[in-house]
Amino acid sequence: AQTVTQSQPEMSVQEAETVTLSCTYDTSESDYYLFWYKQPPSRQMILVIRQEAYKQQNATENRFSVNFQKAAKSFSLKISDSQLGDAAMYFCAYRRWTGANSKLTFGKGITLSVRP
Amino acid sequence: DSGVTQTPKHLITATGQRVTLRCSPRSGDLSVYWYQQSLDQGLQFLIQYYNGEERAKGNILERFSAQQFPDLHSELNLSSLELGDSALYFCASSPRNGGAYEQYFGPGTRLTVT
Repeated sequence: AQTVTQSQPEMSVQEAETVTLSCTYDTSESDYYLFWYKQPPSRQMILVIRQEAYKQQNATENRFSVNFQKAAKSFSLKISDSQLGDAAMYFCAYRRWTGANSKLTFGKGITLSVRP
Repeated sequence: DSGVTQTPKHLITATGQRVTLRCSPRSGDLSVYWYQQSLDQGLQFLIQYYNGEERAKGNILERFSAQQFPDLHSELNLSSLELGDSALYFCASSPRNGGAYEQYFGPGTRLTVT
């Protein structure tokens, strides 16, 4: 079974600074997807970024980028130029590439606070 | 707005009762997923339906059941409720099963069992 681990429960960053959120996962599969979701106080789940395991290039979305290390099974999220609106809980998630079960497996999440 | 709707937004009920949570997927999406978010268990997958048929099951209790109707909306039924069932229940939808398709989450239903 696949597992996703987020070992840091909380992090804090100064506005306009850069922060990196860590995530590791375990799987025996070679093809899969990895995601970062943001959950603000409204509780809505918002997709931040997606990475396909077969792609060597790290995904980027504006101020958000990932560092995907397939061999190390590591998938960290870097937020540049942090803004107050980035304060939220962030979840790392795994999904199989194909197959009957396309569920998302989530880590425990990390609460990010942004200091003005 | 993801296009996925869930009703009700909040639900308060007593132990032993039964409730039904409703989800309307995005227009054209065939796949519906249910997730539970609780303090104890975090975010976990419950069950998936695809075009009316059950496709995958996760950590769903026997007291819980779900179905997807011909119009593709889905309902999650929770019975014999216990205090530990208090959680935020999300529905997500995607156009097909797996592949490159994203799952779009609804706003959730917050269930409080007293």
